[in-house]
Amino acid sequence: DAGVIQSPRHEVTEMGQEVTLRCKPISGHDYLFWYRQTMMRGLELLIYFNNNVPIDDSGMPEDRFSAKMPNASFSTLKIQPSEPRDSAVYFCASSPMDSTLGGNTIYFGEGSWLTVV
Amino acid sequence: AQKVTQAQTEISVVEKEDVTLDCVYETRDTTYYLFWYKQPPSGELVFLIRRNSFDEQNEISGRYSWNFQKSTSSFNFTITASQVVDSAVYFCALSERNFGNEKLTFGTGTRLTIIP
Repeated sequence: DAGVIQSPRHEVTEMGQEVTLRCKPISGHDYLFWYRQTMMRGLELLIYFNNNVPIDDSGMPEDRFSAKMPNASFSTLKIQPSEPRDSAVYFCASSPMDSTLGGNTIYFGEGSWLTVV
Repeated sequence: AQKVTQAQTEISVVEKEDVTLDCVYETRDTTYYLFWYKQPPSGELVFLIRRNSFDEQNEISGRYSWNFQKSTSSFNFTITASQVVDSAVYFCALSERNFGNEKLTFGTGTRLTIIP
């Protein structure tokens, strides 16, 4: 089975440019998450969706960041305009809603390595 | 608020030695889930295990074992007979069971290096 698919895997862009990161979750998963990993802050949740609806975006650093999930199989994280401090690894993840056992196991993509120069 | 502490920043052991990675968590919920993820040098995050708060049985999977103790709020991970392929950063994580609030909070990770 295909896992969470992210693109691009690596991106180098100039400050001020728009960056769009893409994610295809595992088919049938109800939740989609965007995480960011930096040396300073570790892994932090930016936003997550349930059934395509944003549930909690309190981790989105500022208005330059936006995320959408137009359908169950696709999500984007956009940074406009990008800044050098946005350089990080951005992970997309998805999980099913396990109504029997409760909780969920979150499966991560391979990450998008963003460098803003 | 939930919190996960991995006090060991880096550990190095010689191949074939056993090694234990510590994880201590804080939560006010009675229902919660604990996870371990592995991040090898290639960068992806690989799910290893999930444990719910009602199940304190230790678990063994090959060379990996996990010790969950609610009394000390710990969920430690032991690798037996370590191998070079075990070299990675290991993250412990906590999820509180709260409908509409399915967040995973990660610890800062422990970088494990297995020396051949």
